[in-house]
Amino acid sequence: GAGVSQSPRYKVAKRGQDVALRCDPISGHVSLFWYQQALGQGPEFLTYFQNEAQLDKSGLPSDRFFAERPEGSVSTLKIQRTQQEDSAVYLCASSLAGGRGTINQPQHFGDGTRLSIL
Amino acid sequence: QKEVEQNSGPLSVPEGAIASLNCTYSDRVSQSFFWYRQYSGKSPELIMSIYSNGDKEDGRFTAQLNKASQYVSLLIRDSQPSDSATYLCAVDGGAGNMLTFGGGTRLMVKP
Repeated sequence: GAGVSQSPRYKVAKRGQDVALRCDPISGHVSLFWYQQALGQGPEFLTYFQNEAQLDKSGLPSDRFFAERPEGSVSTLKIQRTQQEDSAVYLCASSLAGGRGTINQPQHFGDGTRLSIL
Repeated sequence: QKEVEQNSGPLSVPEGAIASLNCTYSDRVSQSFFWYRQYSGKSPELIMSIYSNGDKEDGRFTAQLNKASQYVSLLIRDSQPSDSATYLCAVDGGAGNMLTFGGGTRLMVKP
């Protein structure tokens, strides 16, 4: 497709369950980012991939959060043993290649997955 | 702690007026600055990017950057009710690619 695609759009899970969120970036975009957005807040960085390499995971809030991009295209964000504070919108963004010290290419966002933990 | 600050609003302007949205950032090494528009329940949509001091115009939108003052702004001319949304200021991390976002300013354009 032309844009970043995320699935599912909505996910409801019981506390303690594991969830997996999928992101399909814009074709040809090397960089992929995951953000978490709480209600009424701006997105907060979780993790960043350049191709298949996870170059920054400093924003992951706990070791229950895990992300992968094994073939450098589709990415999955997994949350284990979900807690109520994990309820948020999870946004995926992609951009053309950029590297440390270079000008950032704009990031383009998907529609997000709204996760609700009961 | 890298910070990006925005007035949460709401900023209310009449239709046809100029809306002025402001943002300050703390990290002096930041090189890339972006404005995103986000409608309720939707994803952020890129409006403007700016990389050097001065003004950058694109249609009804003008982004202004002052690195010495660590200040970036967005002007929307001839505001329309369809411009009513939350506007997010985003700044790159300097040494990396991640973006730090402000909390957003909610803009309301009244007919």
